Amino acid sequence: SQTIHQWPATLVQPVGSPLSLECTVEGTSNPNLYWYRQAAGRGLQLLFYSVGIGQISSEVPQNLSASRPQDRQFILSSKKLLLSDSGFYLCAWSVAGIDTGELFFGEGSRLTVL
Amino acid sequence: GQNIDQPTEMTATEGAIVQINCTYQTSGFNGLFWYQQHAGEAPTFLSYNVLDGLEEKGRFSSFLSRSKGYSYLLLKELQMKDSASYLCAVMDSNYQLIWGAGTKLIIKP
Repeated sequence: SQTIHQWPATLVQPVGSPLSLECTVEGTSNPNLYWYRQAAGRGLQLLFYSVGIGQISSEVPQNLSASRPQDRQFILSSKKLLLSDSGFYLCAWSVAGIDTGELFFGEGSRLTVL
Repeated sequence: GQNIDQPTEMTATEGAIVQINCTYQTSGFNGLFWYQQHAGEAPTFLSYNVLDGLEEKGRFSSFLSRSKGYSYLLLKELQMKDSASYLCAVMDSNYQLIWGAGTKLIIKP
């Protein structure tokens, strides 16, 4: 069966520090991968999505970046965090080639920037 | 612009029935999803509607009217574990998901 894991689960970082959140998927090949951010009282905001290794689409211009070094690995990074980067970050995957397929989410990473 | 509207919070009694509404205005339509999200956890898929009508799955049902830009999620025989946020999301013409802010459902004994 397919599983998705992301870490760390909780992170407290000072303003200006770097960030790295990692997500891996098991049990499937060539998944579509996504990074979302969820702010209180707001809908999920798509940050990045990827349809293959090295293929990253950015939905929101900001100080975050994403990389997909391996087929089932997706990394969210920042060189210098801002206070506004605080939030609940969710990695997700879907089956490639099925545009209307459901999303499967990781456990989430709660980031607090102080 | 694209918009998904759902109530912020609802309260219901254990054993009762509750209906959570979702209205949408999007650029095109390729389906509507409902997800459940318990506090501090990731969303999990509940239902998908692309044609008008009612889809039933156990205690949960989801209805869609494309002409009205409207959907609802119906939860029957409510249990305490149904206390969660329910997220409505619409897939637009570019196959991008537009998410509502979610409805927090509080179940009282």
